[in-house]
Amino acid sequence: DAGITQSPRYKITETGRQVTLMCHQTWSHSYMFWYRQDLGHGLRLIYYSAAADITDKGEVPDGYVVSRSKTENFPLTLESATRSQTSVYFCASRIYPGANYEQYFGPGTRLTVT
Amino acid sequence: QKEVEQNSGPLSVPEGAIASLNCTYSDRGSQSFFWYRQYSGKSPELIMFIYSNGDKEDGRFTAQLNKASQYVSLLIRDSQPSDSATYLCAVNGGSQGNLIFGKGTKLSVKP
Repeated sequence: DAGITQSPRYKITETGRQVTLMCHQTWSHSYMFWYRQDLGHGLRLIYYSAAADITDKGEVPDGYVVSRSKTENFPLTLESATRSQTSVYFCASRIYPGANYEQYFGPGTRLTVT
Repeated sequence: QKEVEQNSGPLSVPEGAIASLNCTYSDRGSQSFFWYRQYSGKSPELIMFIYSNGDKEDGRFTAQLNKASQYVSLLIRDSQPSDSATYLCAVNGGSQGNLIFGKGTKLSVKP
């Protein structure tokens, strides 16, 4: 049971380039989330998705795009990477309905923008 | 703006002692409360959740909730060096069931 996987685990890219971070879950969870984690800020929600083809902005969506054509995949795209987007990115998921908001996290992607 | 506050630490305790981690939250409507453990360089791992006032015990971990005071805590009994990590408090608070996370308390258990 793989749970949630993220790829790549590490990525170095240049300012202005487009980069896509992948997230895949095998649980068929309805909800999926993207967070970024930075020193001093903790975990901040970028985007979330309630189901396939349903996405919405979180706390810090600027500069990011998401899509969800299939329940199991939730890619995050940085359209034109900036140094301020250097961070660790976590994907998470949870069951809905019936669950009590527990979220389970993937292993993370460490992104460096030079 | 819904907030979750934690003391950033570091909290240092000797091996075998009780570690007490605290968290306050701003939204009185929050109903679900979580503690995640995050080792350095790893992802957050859910270790406890609590929904009702009072205590909930799971092994060496006890979560305590006081909704009137908007306060949730995590006690770790018989602390071990392997418990050294950052502990994140989270509460439900978003319109779509999002979790609001505190910035975490770093715990160090000294042998």
